[in-house]
Amino acid sequence: DVKVTQSSRYLVKRTGEKVFLECVQDMDHENMFWYRQDPGLGLRLIYFSYDVKMKEKGDIPEGYSVSREKKERFSLILESASTNQTSMYLCASSFGWAGQGDTGELFFGEGSRLTVL
Amino acid sequence: TQLLEQSPQFLSIQEGENLTVYCNSSSVFSSLQWYRQEPGEGPVLLVTVVTGGEVKKLKRLTFQFGDARKDSSLHITAAQPGDTGLYLCAGENYGQNFVFGPGTRLSVLP
Repeated sequence: DVKVTQSSRYLVKRTGEKVFLECVQDMDHENMFWYRQDPGLGLRLIYFSYDVKMKEKGDIPEGYSVSREKKERFSLILESASTNQTSMYLCASSFGWAGQGDTGELFFGEGSRLTVL
Repeated sequence: TQLLEQSPQFLSIQEGENLTVYCNSSSVFSSLQWYRQEPGEGPVLLVTVVTGGEVKKLKRLTFQFGDARKDSSLHITAAQPGDTGLYLCAGENYGQNFVFGPGTRLSVLP
């Protein structure tokens, strides 16, 4: 069964702390994504990666960085957490794209709910 | 930035009723996906539509991709409480990334 695992379901941090959110997939997928989900705004793309050591900015990269040292692992880093980064963070992976004949399905983890005080 | 709009934002109906959810954009997408998300879980794919005008059926759910590949609809026949959840549409941007709509929160009351 395919699986995307996020390291923490719930985190509470203080303003200014460094936060690491880890994501691991066991499907040998090339593509990995980090989204944040806020009520009424849907999922907004923070960063994505097509390959090891490769990263691309999404729509809202400010205040975040990422690391992909191994194919199966994609980490999201908040260098100095702020209260406006309180949110649900979702990691996803995919094999390919619908235009390439694949379904393009995104496989999501269960999410990490971060609260910054 | 490409945007996807969904309507309605909230929908509460009785079991057995029919409903339609809409997903609209001014941008063209190479494919469009519908996901359902339940509380405490990540979204799960329901369907991918690729061709303009395409219609796909999944039991009581019917999905349609607009001819111009800018919009889509999801129709549920005889809704059941198990259909309750957040329905998200996502447009694929030609192998670059996915853009998500804000979602439609559906509640089906028994």
